[in-house]
Parts: sequence; structure tokens; C-alpha cells
Amino acid sequence: QVQLVESGGGVVQPGGSLRLSCAASGFTFSSYGMHWVRQAPGKGLEWVAFIRYDGSNKYYADSVKGRFTISRDNSKNTLYLQMNSLRAEDTAVYYCAKDPGQQWLVCNYWGQGTLVTVSS
Amino acid sequence: AIQLTQSPSSLSASVGDRVTITCRASQGISSALAWYQQKPGKAPKLLIYDASSLESGVPSRFSGSGSGTDFTLTISSLQPEDFATYYCQQFNNYPLTFGGGTKVEIK
Repeated sequence: QVQLVESGGGVVQPGGSLRLSCAASGFTFSSYGMHWVRQAPGKGLEWVAFIRYDGSNKYYADSVKGRFTISRDNSKNTLYLQMNSLRAEDTAVYYCAKDPGQQWLVCNYWGQGTLVTVSS
Repeated sequence: AIQLTQSPSSLSASVGDRVTITCRASQGISSALAWYQQKPGKAPKLLIYDASSLESGVPSRFSGSGSGTDFTLTISSLQPEDFATYYCQQFNNYPLTFGGGTKVEIK
């Protein structure tokens, strides 16, 4: 069965950096697009970024463009989110999610999430 | 960015009730809309995609309709496990966007 396991969350100071990872199993990772979606405490969902199955195209929310980078290593079945210049408003649970195809742009499987807290 | 406005933001209903949630887009998005269910402390779950296509394994009491700017999620007979928060999401344009959510509570 599809499994997505995020890691790398924690507490970081404003202006700092963090790299999240998402280990995928139970499907052919290299055939599917992948997303990052976040949820601030007590708030709604916010899409963060998408990467095509082969890494050829990447798309970002305006709120993170230029600060966050999505990437993937298909040989390791792992998705990444490099987060730089972190701000208090980036505090959230970060979910990785699988696209049903190469670029359907919905999320049909989700990980359990990893909490990122930006605070001094 | 396309804004999605859900209404109501919360509702109280009883088991067996018919429940309708609406999602309005700030511009036309064809049928590029999905619906998700999220329970407290859990990841969201995809219910509907392409406005009206039921995701595999989702009970048939869930249905979606609409196109253009106005969309509806309907639960035909509310079950105890359906008490949750529901979100719409558009995928017609980048950046992808979610609605603000509708919390369905027990009356």
C-alpha cells in the first residue's frame, strides 16, 4: 500500500533553514508527481509546491517562491523541501502528498505530516 | 491567484441529514475542482476530483457537482464518521488553492 513518511521538522529560528524529506513506498515513485501542502496551527490547508514525476517542472505558491525548493531523488524514492529564510508565518504541519498521475494536480495520498516551528 | 470561498464555514447537522457545502471560485475553473475531508489530527483524504468524480473507496453518499465558478459537495445521509472539516481545491491554474474549509459538527 502507498506510504508517505515525512521527516526533518523541528524548531528553527527566523531566517534559518530546514530540509524536509518524504520517503515514499508502495508505488512506482518515479511515475508520479508529488506535492507539499502545509497547515498552520488551527488554520486551513495551503498548497506549497509541486514537482513533476521526472523533476522537469516545479511550481510554487507565491508565499514561498524564491525561499523554498522542491526536489526529488527517484533512485531513493524520496521527495524533499528545502526551506530557507524561514519566517514565523511558515510555522505549520507540512504534508507530502502524491498526485494520481504525472500532473493531475490533486492529492490522492498524504503522509502524516511533520511540524515545523519558526520561533526565536 | 484564484480564490475559493466556501459556505457555510461551519454547520451543525444530525445523523441522517442531507448536507450541502458550496465552493465559489473567483474566476471560472471549468471542472478542475476537488473535495477533501479532514478529521482532527489527521491528514486530508481525497473525496471528489474533476468536480463530480468519486475517488475509489469513497462511499456513494458523497457527491459533487458544478462547473465554472459554482460547486457543491453533498452528503446524502450524514453518518457519524462524516463529522469533519471539508475543503475544496482548484487545480485549473497555478498556484493551486484551497477554500477556507467547512466544519461539519454534530447537532
